[in-house]
Amino acid sequence: DVKVTQSSRYLVKRTGEKVFLECVQDMDHENMFWYRQDPGLGLRLIYFSYDVKMKEKGDIPEGYSVSREKKERFSLILESASTNQTSMYLCASRTTGNTGEQYFGPGTRLTVT
Amino acid sequence: AQSVTQLGSHVSVSEGALVLLRCNYSSSVPPYLFWYVQYPNQGLQLLLKYTSAATLVKGINGFEAEFKKSETSFHLTKPSAHMSDAAEYFCAVSRSEGNNRLAFGKGNQVVVIP
Repeated sequence: DVKVTQSSRYLVKRTGEKVFLECVQDMDHENMFWYRQDPGLGLRLIYFSYDVKMKEKGDIPEGYSVSREKKERFSLILESASTNQTSMYLCASRTTGNTGEQYFGPGTRLTVT
Repeated sequence: AQSVTQLGSHVSVSEGALVLLRCNYSSSVPPYLFWYVQYPNQGLQLLLKYTSAATLVKGINGFEAEFKKSETSFHLTKPSAHMSDAAEYFCAVSRSEGNNRLAFGKGNQVVVIP
């Protein structure tokens, strides 16, 4: 079974802190994704990566950056956390090709106070 | 660009009744379509997917969906709702551009009434 793990299930940070969310997948997938999920808005793509050191902006990249130094690991970075970044963050991975599904991690619920 | 529409953010269904969740897509190319389920405080897991084989797709937990090209729809059904079906459901379409991205609908929160 594919496993996508995220470093924390719950996280509380203060405004202005730098926040790292880590995601690891064990199926050698080329593509990895970071979403945020908010009530009534569904899933919105923040960034994705299609190879090591390669990244592309998603629909809402402002205030976020990412890092992918190894194929299995994809990090989301909030350079200076703000209260409007309080949300559920979901990581996913997917093999290349349009027929494959995305596999999701359990999510990190981030609260910024 | 590919997109999906799910109407009705909250859906209430009685235990034992039919579950019907509607998904309409827009796509300029043959689509690949997915339904995901999210239980409380969990990530999303795949229910079923359509990848241009049979138009009636069976998934886990008794769910199925039918691809109808003429209606640009991929509605999800289950004949008899169970309390454990209470969850959020997302329809998604594979985007032809953008390196294997999926476009998700806004989701349906299903409440099962005993």
